This record gives sequence, structure tokens and C-alpha cells, in this order.
Amino acid sequence: QQQVKQSPQSLIVQKGGISIINCAYENTAFDYFPWYQQFPGKGPALLIAIRPDVSEKKEGRFTISFNKSAKQFSLHIMDSQPGDSATYFCAAKDYMDDKIIFGKGTRLHILP
Amino acid sequence: DGGITQSPKYLFRKEGQNVTLSCEQNLNHDAMYWYRQDPGQGLRLIYYSQIVNDFQKGDIAEGYSVSREKKESFPLTVTSAQKNPTAFYLCASSPSGAGDTEAFFGQGTRLTVV
Repeated sequence: QQQVKQSPQSLIVQKGGISIINCAYENTAFDYFPWYQQFPGKGPALLIAIRPDVSEKKEGRFTISFNKSAKQFSLHIMDSQPGDSATYFCAAKDYMDDKIIFGKGTRLHILP
Repeated sequence: DGGITQSPKYLFRKEGQNVTLSCEQNLNHDAMYWYRQDPGQGLRLIYYSQIVNDFQKGDIAEGYSVSREKKESFPLTVTSAQKNPTAFYLCASSPSGAGDTEAFFGQGTRLTVV
């Protein structure tokens, strides 16, 4: 049973545009919300993460926005580049049992 | 170099055979995980372990088994009871407990059952 819902499933953005991926969760025991980036044939790698006591975190062109009351968080990629083309996963970690649950992923394609 | 190593990268097995996927980490992490990745399904949790000699079922544990005899190792056995074992399998590890506990992934094992 998926406890983290991610949308859209796929996304096409022009070079230089903003890519936005959304996630929603239900379990209030989640206390850590990472985003992972995965290239074909490789394992996912951490991109950026946020704790629920922060509403926004920015690292370079990547920003996480977090809405605790709505139980939603999103990834914004500014000035999207062809090298950003990959699959992105949101995730949530349960602090009580270390369980990490992933969304179904978003395949992002940046047009050159 | 610290990291998490999965082997082999590609694995072919005949239907009905059990197969064991290796996962080793030298990051001194307490928690380890096995995920299965299928197109359009994301990463689905098979088993995870918070400590040596203990592990819990994830969302799709049926047809799989694991052991955690050492902190560094968390092998996954795909048994003949798994109905559709062909998939990309990912192992991960992370520090245990609350806080910013990044999970590190291996490069995956692609299992094909013929």
C-alpha cells in the first residue's frame, strides 16, 4: 500500500523552465522527506531533503516546499537543464521504525 | 571508499530456482533495506532491518527472505514462491533513528528469470 502519492507520473519541460513535482502523505510519524534522483541503470541518489519543522529548503536550483498542515511537499527545479532528465522519487521516513517509503516516481524530460 | 555494494549487477536464473542477491555496506549504518523497482511502480519495500539479527517485512515480502547476521551484510533470497521475480532490485542503508538520515543506495541487481 503506497503511503506517499507522487504526481505527475511523467513531465516534459523546456530548457530553462521550472519543473514541479508534487507528493502527499498521510502518516504523521514521517519526520524526514528526501527527494532522490535516478538515472537509467543506476541506484537513486539523494538530491535534497527536508524536515517537517521547515517550510522551504533551497540548494542551488533545487527547492523543496513543505506544507505540514496539508501533508504535502513538492520539488521545484529552476532553470531546468537537459542533464536534469531523470526519474525523481519523493520519499518519507518513519522515525519510529526507520521505514522509508517512496512515491512511484516522476520521469522528467527536459527538452534542449 | 565508503559505500554500499550489490552483486552481481546482472543475474539470470531459471524459473523455480532460488537465487540470493548480495548487499554489503561499510558505512557503519544500522538500518538496511531491500526495494524492488518495476516500471511505473516506483520503489517498493521488500524487507528492512534496523539492527543485526532482526528484520521486518515491507509491503511486498511474499516470496522473499532475508538474513542479518552481520551489520555489514543484508542478503536477499528470491525464492521459487515469488510469482514474478524479474525486476531491478535495490539495496540501501542509512543511520537509524530520527533526524536527517540519508539512505545510500547500491547500483542495483537486475534479475531475469527465464
